Amino acid sequence: DAGVIQSPRHEVTEMGQEVTLRCKPISGHDYLFWYRQTMMRGLELLIYFNNNVPIDDSGMPEDRFSAKMPNASFSTLKIQPSEPRDSAVYFCASSQTLQGNEQFFGPGTRLTVL
Amino acid sequence: SQKIEQNSEALNIQEGKTATLTCNYTNYSPAYLQWYRQDPGRGPVFLLLIRENEKEKRKERLKVTFDTTLKQSLFHITASQPADSATYLCALGAGGFKTIFGAGTRLFVKA
Repeated sequence: DAGVIQSPRHEVTEMGQEVTLRCKPISGHDYLFWYRQTMMRGLELLIYFNNNVPIDDSGMPEDRFSAKMPNASFSTLKIQPSEPRDSAVYFCASSQTLQGNEQFFGPGTRLTVL
Repeated sequence: SQKIEQNSEALNIQEGKTATLTCNYTNYSPAYLQWYRQDPGRGPVFLLLIRENEKEKRKERLKVTFDTTLKQSLFHITASQPADSATYLCALGAGGFKTIFGAGTRLFVKA
């Protein structure tokens, strides 16, 4: 397996624009996570899915953020409208089961909102 | 609120020495604790998991201890090498999947 795949790797956009980040988890993993990492706040969990169903979105900062998982092999994180404070590295991770809970992270998307 | 503290200052050590990183937590009763490694421009990579009923776990040159009384975990890298230079994150979990990560400690191993 190629591991968790994220696209794009880098995104530069202007304030007010819509941004869509994409993730393909490892095949067979039932859980998918979206994280945001900044120097100030470290790695924060935004939302996670189990079998394509959102389980906990309490980390989503505000209504401008939304996430979907239409099938087991694809998820999106959308920010609309984007703001400069959304600039961060966004990671997608997946894991197989509850037991052990080792998470496999993608390479991340570095988002810069001007 | 739940809090995880890792030494924000970078740790600089000489090659061959043992590196020891600390993870302290408050207002939390984790069922398990994990350590991840993160290299610049990459996502974290899982290293070790230790459960609340385990005192110590080893994997090759890595050793993790977990003291639920002190609310602390120590992460040791023996015979350190320049290739061990990275940021190391500790993460706590309990019950469900909402793992909480620390901010990480940067380790520099000098040749």
